[in-house]
Formats: sequence, structure tokens, C-alpha cells
Amino acid sequence: QGQLVQSGADVKKPGASVTISCKAFGYTFTVYQIHWVRQAPGQGLEWLGIIDPGGNTVSYAQNFQGRVTMTRDTSTSTVYMELSSLTSEDTAVYYCAKHSYVYNAMDVWGQGTTVTVSS
Amino acid sequence: QSVLTQPPSVSAAPGQKVTISCSEGSSQIGNNYVSWYQQLPGTAPKLLMYENNKRPSGIPDRFSGSKSGSSATLGITGLQTGDEADYYCGTWDNSLNIWVFGGGTKLTVL
Repeated sequence: QGQLVQSGADVKKPGASVTISCKAFGYTFTVYQIHWVRQAPGQGLEWLGIIDPGGNTVSYAQNFQGRVTMTRDTSTSTVYMELSSLTSEDTAVYYCAKHSYVYNAMDVWGQGTTVTVSS
Repeated sequence: QSVLTQPPSVSAAPGQKVTISCSEGSSQIGNNYVSWYQQLPGTAPKLLMYENNKRPSGIPDRFSGSKSGSSATLGITGLQTGDEADYYCGTWDNSLNIWVFGGGTKLTVL
């Protein structure tokens, strides 16, 4: 099934941008799409979008259109998620998750990256 | 953005059974598979059920899933204190080309 390892926690000021990395191990990177999901403190899961590392196509949630950018580097089996124009409401744990075509579900999750937006 | 509806919380005693519902507002569930995720406190979500009623390897058969029309249900029997967690349903919305999650249900084992 593989493993996803994310970059470490980050603190940003309002208005800044943050980039989180998600490195894949143990499976063919270009075959499986990667979702990005976040969870604000005490809140539920919120889907940000999905990237297809093989075809380099993306689909973003409407709430984040224009503010989120997902990219990939096939040479390092890593996907990146950049979120710009940060506000305190973007303070959350951000997860990447692999989409399994066998399960039609997110079968492998990264450990999560805490992003704190504070002046 | 469309969201699946779950009860905020459920509770039951150890050894008992509980069900968690997941209902849709439009056409997500009816047309696609539902998956369920368990999130233990302070950890990343974990796939618990896929394609409505199938368990990944390692998930005990105390967990079950079903789908009927526009609703899906997660069932847990023989409740244990270790089952205390947040549970989320999710599915792909073909019409909007997005993934949607339910709001999550907090399970308390009394």
C-alpha cells in the first residue's frame, strides 16, 4: 500500500503562503492520485483537492480555487500543496492521502502537518 | 460545497452495538461508493470501510457497512473503549468532480 511522509510543522503570518510536501514510498508514484485534506482545531475533515501525479492534472475544491496550487515532482515521488493569502482560519492540520482505485477510497494517509497562522 | 450529513455524536456501553448514519443532500451517495474513516484522538484518519461494506485487511468484523438509496450506515458491534474516535463518511461527487466528507460523528463508549 505504501507510505506518505509529510513535511514538518510551520508557522506563518497572515497574508503569507505555505507549501507542504508529501513524499511517497513503497508504491508506483505516478499510478495513484493524491488528495489533500485539512482539519481545523476541533473541526471535521475538509477536502482541498486532488492531484494525479501521472497525468499532472488537478481538481480543486471550490472554496480554495485561486488560493491553492498542487504540484508534483516525479523524480522524488513528492507532491506539494501551496496555500496562499493565509488567514487565521487556515490554521489546521493538513493531510495528504493516497487514492486507491482498488478501494475507491483514501487508503494511505500522511502523518499530518500542522500549519499555524498567527501575527 | 456539498456535505454529507452525520449525527454529531453517538454513545453506547461497552459490548453494545451502535450505528452511524451518513446521508446525502444531492446525488453523491446514490451514484458512488461510500467509504468510512476512523480517527483516533491525535492521529491521522484511517480507512475503516470501503465500497459501502468492505473491510480492509486488519479491520475486525465487528465493523460493518451498508448503503441504501441516499444513505449509508456504519455499524459497530461489541463496542470497546478503544473504539472511541471520530468517524467520517466520504464519497466522490461526480457532478461536481470533488470529494465530500460527512461532518463526522464522535463515538463515546460509556
